[in-house]
Amino acid sequence: GAVVSQHPSRVICKSGTSVKIECRSLDFQATTMFWYRQFPKQSLMLMATSNEGSKATYEQGVEKDKFLINHASLTLSTLTVTSAHPEDSSFYICSARQPAGELFFGEGSRLTVL
Amino acid sequence: GNSVTQMEGPVTLSEEAFLTINCTYTATGYPSLFWYVQYPGEGLQLLLKATKADDKGSNKGFEATYRKETTSFHLEKGSVQVSDSAVYFCALSDTQGGSEKLVFGKGTKLTVNP
Repeated sequence: GAVVSQHPSRVICKSGTSVKIECRSLDFQATTMFWYRQFPKQSLMLMATSNEGSKATYEQGVEKDKFLINHASLTLSTLTVTSAHPEDSSFYICSARQPAGELFFGEGSRLTVL
Repeated sequence: GNSVTQMEGPVTLSEEAFLTINCTYTATGYPSLFWYVQYPGEGLQLLLKATKADDKGSNKGFEATYRKETTSFHLEKGSVQVSDSAVYFCALSDTQGGSEKLVFGKGTKLTVNP
């Protein structure tokens, strides 16, 4: 099946720094990508919907200036956590939608902010 | 809003045991229902889906029937294998706001012992 890859899979950073997470669709062009956040023992919470070449649509309660999403090409979307703090520590997951409609998920990226 | 309530885990079974993971939903309209599986170290993968009432989704020996009268989509397998050990997520599609999003349950971790 189609593959979506996230990088890095794990990242540890100091409080106040910014971290970028990449999401790539390896064998298809994805006009739409989604970013989720998962807390321990909680469901995946949709953060934003990213469409290639346009601004991301954020879910209610998600800070746009805190979580910067860029979808500059049909195979790459990035999530930048700006001025990260310990409460931003979480598991971030992306998914990409194939033109035919099926969703494929990345492996997830675990962010730990010290 | 739309929501998914999933049986809390973890669930531990012996090989060849019968599996049921309960999932109920709350939704306006007629959502599609999904089960996703996440194997260790991998991204979520679509396991099966059903798009309307009384539809049965099936794959790899797993089955789930879309029950509108009980708003349920319980996952079943007659004889589990060690390789079925994973986290299982129930989800529904939410098309409110003009774009399709997935709403997930919290996930149920299944461990199958030999």
